[in-house]
Amino acid sequence: QKEVEQDPGPLSVPEGAIVSLNCTYSNSAFQYFMWYRQYSRKGPELLMYTYSSGNKEDGRFTAQVDKSSKYISLFIRDSQPSDSATYLCAMKTGANNLFFGTGTRLTVIP
Amino acid sequence: DADVTQTPRNRITKTGKRIMLECSQTKGHDRMYWYRQDPGLGLRLIYYSFDVKDINKGEISDGYSVSRQAQAKFSLSLESAIPNQTALYFCATSFGSAGEGETQYFGPGTRLLVL
Repeated sequence: QKEVEQDPGPLSVPEGAIVSLNCTYSNSAFQYFMWYRQYSRKGPELLMYTYSSGNKEDGRFTAQVDKSSKYISLFIRDSQPSDSATYLCAMKTGANNLFFGTGTRLTVIP
Repeated sequence: DADVTQTPRNRITKTGKRIMLECSQTKGHDRMYWYRQDPGLGLRLIYYSFDVKDINKGEISDGYSVSRQAQAKFSLSLESAIPNQTALYFCATSFGSAGEGETQYFGPGTRLLVL
């Protein structure tokens, strides 16, 4: 079983839709949870960071962590064509390295 | 100028050849990483270095070696390239050990094809 599982998609939505991206994980020691966005032919860039359980909001983006279910989510409100990218979840314990999901490819259709 | 740069951006080589991928950063970070990205497998850690005298194996280090020439430079070598090392390779840097300080900053990637 992989440490981090992520549905690869692809996911295609119309502009303005609410997008929900999810990851599950098996290691209960993970404490730091991140979402990276990767545009085609570019390196990943950090989009959202959350420590432990709870929600974090940044503009149109909301990250949720449910440690009891070992489940994290990223919501995108009022999705835009510029949100079209691959979204990677990543997580870590205190001192260890990042474990990445495989990424979900999202396309927002104008 | 980009904070994390990788050279070359694209490389085609033949089986058995030795090649080197280079990474440079101007962020002043101590920690540097090499990953490979494959469709359906995501990002997998090859090697990482927490400072100039520190080198650690990652999840998939077999067939690879690294050199940390300076704080700002971290090179990845394929001693004898094989076709299943065809992938997209990323260098990343970070400055902390916990919390948001562990945010990793990625270079633009090197696309490697081994024939």
